[in-house]
Amino acid sequence: DVKVTQSSRYLVKRTGEKVFLECVQDMDHENMFWYRQDPGLGLRLIYFSYDVKMKEKGDIPEGYSVSREKKERFSLILESASTNQTSMYLCASSFAYRGGEQYFGPGTRLTVT
Amino acid sequence: GNSVTQMEGPVTLSEEAFLTINCTYTATGYPSLFWYVQYPGEGLQLLPKATKADDKGSNKGFEATYRKETTSFHLEKGSVQVSDSAVYFCALSERGAQKLVFGQGTRLTINP
Repeated sequence: DVKVTQSSRYLVKRTGEKVFLECVQDMDHENMFWYRQDPGLGLRLIYFSYDVKMKEKGDIPEGYSVSREKKERFSLILESASTNQTSMYLCASSFAYRGGEQYFGPGTRLTVT
Repeated sequence: GNSVTQMEGPVTLSEEAFLTINCTYTATGYPSLFWYVQYPGEGLQLLPKATKADDKGSNKGFEATYRKETTSFHLEKGSVQVSDSAVYFCALSERGAQKLVFGQGTRLTINP
């Protein structure tokens, strides 16, 4: 079975802190994705990576950056956390030739106080 | 641009009832369509997919049918269980594209 893991299920941070969310997949997938999920807004793509060190902005990249130094690991960085970044963050991965078949991690619920 | 519209929720059914969740889409070309399910407190899991017009997919007791002429992709299950209570998302990707466009989700509650 494909496994996508995220470093934390729950995280509480203060405004202005630098926050790292880590995601690891074990299926040698080329693609990795970061989404945020908010009530009434559904899933929104933050960033997408199609290869090591390659990234592409999604629909809502403002306030976020990403890093992909190894194929299996994709990090989401909040340079200076703000209260409007309180959300559920979901990581996903897929093969390049099956972009729509994404496998999701369990999510990290981030609260910024 | 591409978009996906799901039936309004929440949907409440009794155990063993028949389930249909409707999804329509707008896209150029011939997209691939997917259903995902999200159980409480978890990430999304892939359910049936369909990669061409009039395709049917099945997975975990669910069946999905892609109708190109009505640009629809409906999810069905013959007899639901309490454990099927979750949020269901319809999604599409354009052929060759890497990204998904998700619907807003339909919350389903099954009562015993």
